[in-house]
Amino acid sequence: KNEVEQSPQNLTAQEGEFITINCSYSVGISALHWLQQHPGGGIVSLFMLSSGKKKHGRLIATINIQEKHSSLHITASHPRDSAVYICAVGPGTASKLTFGTGTRLQVTL
Amino acid sequence: GAVVSQHPSRVICKSGTSVKIECRSLDFQATTMFWYRQFPKQSLMLMATSNEGSKATYEQGVEKDKFLINHASLTLSTLTVTSAHPEDSSFYICSASGLAGLNIQYFGAGTRLSVL
Repeated sequence: KNEVEQSPQNLTAQEGEFITINCSYSVGISALHWLQQHPGGGIVSLFMLSSGKKKHGRLIATINIQEKHSSLHITASHPRDSAVYICAVGPGTASKLTFGTGTRLQVTL
Repeated sequence: GAVVSQHPSRVICKSGTSVKIECRSLDFQATTMFWYRQFPKQSLMLMATSNEGSKATYEQGVEKDKFLINHASLTLSTLTVTSAHPEDSSFYICSASGLAGLNIQYFGAGTRLSVL
């Protein structure tokens, strides 16, 4: 069993749909990251969470430390949101991250 | 946000040659840099962690003589793939973490290495 598991692995949505990607982890963490990787490979950090909820534009990330679970929500999805979304957790400062295998999102017109 | 520049973005080389990949933090001092490798449709795998001015810490199974890492300054780390072979073809990504945000890693855009 992977230490960080994401679901679903693949997701296809129509433009405008509300999207949820889930991440569960089994290790103790200090912070959880949501990353976005575009087809060219470059990675963008979306959020870093240690508790509660964060919002940036159409993206919302939540984390429940007790349940060891985080969700990434995309409201009013758009084709440009098509990417691989990766959840990663870290135990502490400047520490190595453990990555989930990613969720491949395709948003169609 | 902070910017990490990785160069080159793509490199094609012949088997047996060495390839150097640079990772620069453009607007902050990166006390720690991480090097990752990613195979197609797989997650990122940490290769090594480097702290400025000290030797890199390699993950189990990563050959330190094969993948040379230098972190000589607070803004630059390099990964050299020595005597590259086709099995070294992969996507290599660096990230940097600085004093101002110890839990935050800023990622480079990655380097796609193809060894012929």
